[in-house]
Amino acid sequence: QQQVKQSPQSLIVQKGGISIINCAYENTAFDYFPWYQQFPGKGPALLIAIRPDVSEKKEGRFTISFNKSAKQFSLHIMDSQPGDSATYFCAAQGAQKLVFGQGTRLTINP
Amino acid sequence: NAGVTQTPKFRILKIGQSMTLQCTQDMNHNYMYWYRQDPGMGLKLIYYSVGAGITDKGEVPNGYNVSRSTTEDFPLRLELAAPSQTSVYFCASSYSGVGATDTQYFGPGTRLTVL
Repeated sequence: QQQVKQSPQSLIVQKGGISIINCAYENTAFDYFPWYQQFPGKGPALLIAIRPDVSEKKEGRFTISFNKSAKQFSLHIMDSQPGDSATYFCAAQGAQKLVFGQGTRLTINP
Repeated sequence: NAGVTQTPKFRILKIGQSMTLQCTQDMNHNYMYWYRQDPGMGLKLIYYSVGAGITDKGEVPNGYNVSRSTTEDFPLRLELAAPSQTSVYFCASSYSGVGATDTQYFGPGTRLTVL
């Protein structure tokens, strides 16, 4: 099963709050889990990524939590800012290809 | 470095017309990819290439063709355009297809409308 399921489809968070986006996968052969950020009219850009042998990775305000047994991973954005408003995609890599989730449109209200 | 460049930015086609979407990267990456992005559907892989002269199908290849004659260029050909091909098309490249160092870099996209 090559699907990656992402939720929620859209999310509204107040400035300074925590934004949480969740993803789930089925294929245990996936070995790399990146998150991409996309602003309107632009291509996606890598935000943060994790390998399955690590349960958490933090870069600034962005943290990936990874639960290998549950085959789930999530993106947490601490102290969310209006500039974080974008569409976020989780992805999983296997067999030299990325499989993307459906995307989450995040809006941070000032 | 310009990174990944795509032309054109926008295009309107009539049903049955053909066109080529251009993609060029100047990072000497071996791997190149074509995706389409539809609202609420994420990015779907159309074709990919692991090096010059080598291409393979992705998840949604029907109605498209690719070629890879050089490391830098990876054009996507649409034959007999259909309304179902209305989408935003992204080209991406990476140094290799394996491992945690393998970041895919995306171009700015081509918005295609088929009427």
